[in-house]
Amino acid sequence: ETGVTQTPRHLVMGMTNKKSLKCEQHLGHNAMYWYKQSAKKPLELMFVYSLEERVENNSVPSRFSPECPNSSHLFLHLHTLQPEDSALYLCASSQRTSGEETQYFGPGTRLLVL
Amino acid sequence: AQSVAQPEDQVNVAEGNPLTVKCTYSVSGNPYLFWYVQYPNRGLQFLLKYITGDNLVKGSYGFEAEFNKSQTSFHLKKPSALVSDSALYFCAVREVGGFKTIFGAGTRLFVKA
Repeated sequence: ETGVTQTPRHLVMGMTNKKSLKCEQHLGHNAMYWYKQSAKKPLELMFVYSLEERVENNSVPSRFSPECPNSSHLFLHLHTLQPEDSALYLCASSQRTSGEETQYFGPGTRLLVL
Repeated sequence: AQSVAQPEDQVNVAEGNPLTVKCTYSVSGNPYLFWYVQYPNRGLQFLLKYITGDNLVKGSYGFEAEFNKSQTSFHLKKPSALVSDSALYFCAVREVGGFKTIFGAGTRLFVKA
């Protein structure tokens, strides 16, 4: 395993529900990322946190709300999602230096919005 | 703006034959280039990366990639494919000093026994 865990692994929610995705990294890294993976599309970077500060917000709708309480944990809070938000949500971490660092990915949460 | 193109949705190879998965990129500055692999129900796993120096980069599981600056390409290669290499492969680029990694759409490799 890569040292990045995500829970839950699968999630089904209605459009009016509120849920949260959790990511935890056990690698001592200082940067964490949320990506959205949809079929036959490039991975979409959603958010980047470096040293617990958000440094990248890739024009993500406000129904997605990230939270990074410390360097090991990252959450993605979901509310009033749309069916097109159904996808695999991947968390990653890295030890931020000058950009050449490798990202380590969790197994993902497969989300289905009904 | 940065971009990555993987022109083939799928590559089919017979076991034991060499394989190539193509990747071209566009970036305004100097690039860092990466290959990741994704097996079913798993996250992405790092294979190899180009930072600087030798244009031929060797990585995990016998894979290698060649950086070609003039053609802005970073094709993934392996001399002899295995059935277990069947997976989804992603090329990615990041500008030196940048936070953002841009991924391609992925190429599905199918190795037939």
